[in-house]
Amino acid sequence: QSALTQPRSVSGSPGQSVTISCTGTSSDVGYYDFVSWYQHHPGKAPKLMIYDVNKRPSGVPDRFSGSKSGNTASLTISGLQPEDEADYYCCSFAGSYTWVFGGGTKVTVL
Amino acid sequence: EVQLLQSGAELKKPGESLKISCKGSGYSFTTYWIGWVRQVPGKGLEWMGIIYPGDSDTRYRPSFQGQVTISADKSINTAYLQWSSLKASDTAMYYCARRDSGKWLVDYWGQGTLVTVSS
Repeated sequence: QSALTQPRSVSGSPGQSVTISCTGTSSDVGYYDFVSWYQHHPGKAPKLMIYDVNKRPSGVPDRFSGSKSGNTASLTISGLQPEDEADYYCCSFAGSYTWVFGGGTKVTVL
Repeated sequence: EVQLLQSGAELKKPGESLKISCKGSGYSFTTYWIGWVRQVPGKGLEWMGIIYPGDSDTRYRPSFQGQVTISADKSINTAYLQWSSLKASDTAMYYCARRDSGKWLVDYWGQGTLVTVSS
């Protein structure tokens, strides 16, 4: 069982929006504004898509956005593209040089 | 360009020892923490621990303390994860990942090393 809870899968057609939730506790997601999201294509290194809840690293398309409310963070992909099909993991700092992750969500572009 | 290059897949028997590596390039290796993350097949990611190559300050997640050893050789920009006696339950993909300087953020990841422990 992962520390953070994500849906196993979400899907959408090209151009649609999908949202992935990530539920933690008051000791991680709810306490720290250090939530990040990673895109992972199998066999490759995970790629940082969102950090500090809602910041995008340089080069990440602005169709990716993040938010948080209470113990739940969310990643929204607006205007879904075929290349967005991948696994997505949420992550929260949990104190004492420890991070916790979600179980991953497979995004399928129909 | 920041890169973390991990060593190749390993097939080992229970009880054997193993050391896998993660070589950093494109940045000042000694001034960024490097962590290790486990992914058991079909499961999510688990944080194992982290090391500061500059002085080898190491912090383990309690559940991994004593089960693995994290080390680094700053002369060759390489971090390591090692086991003295592998178990079948150690079968997993292992990732190294860099903590961004001054932030509580893991920004760059290696491509992963698959460790299979089977008799």
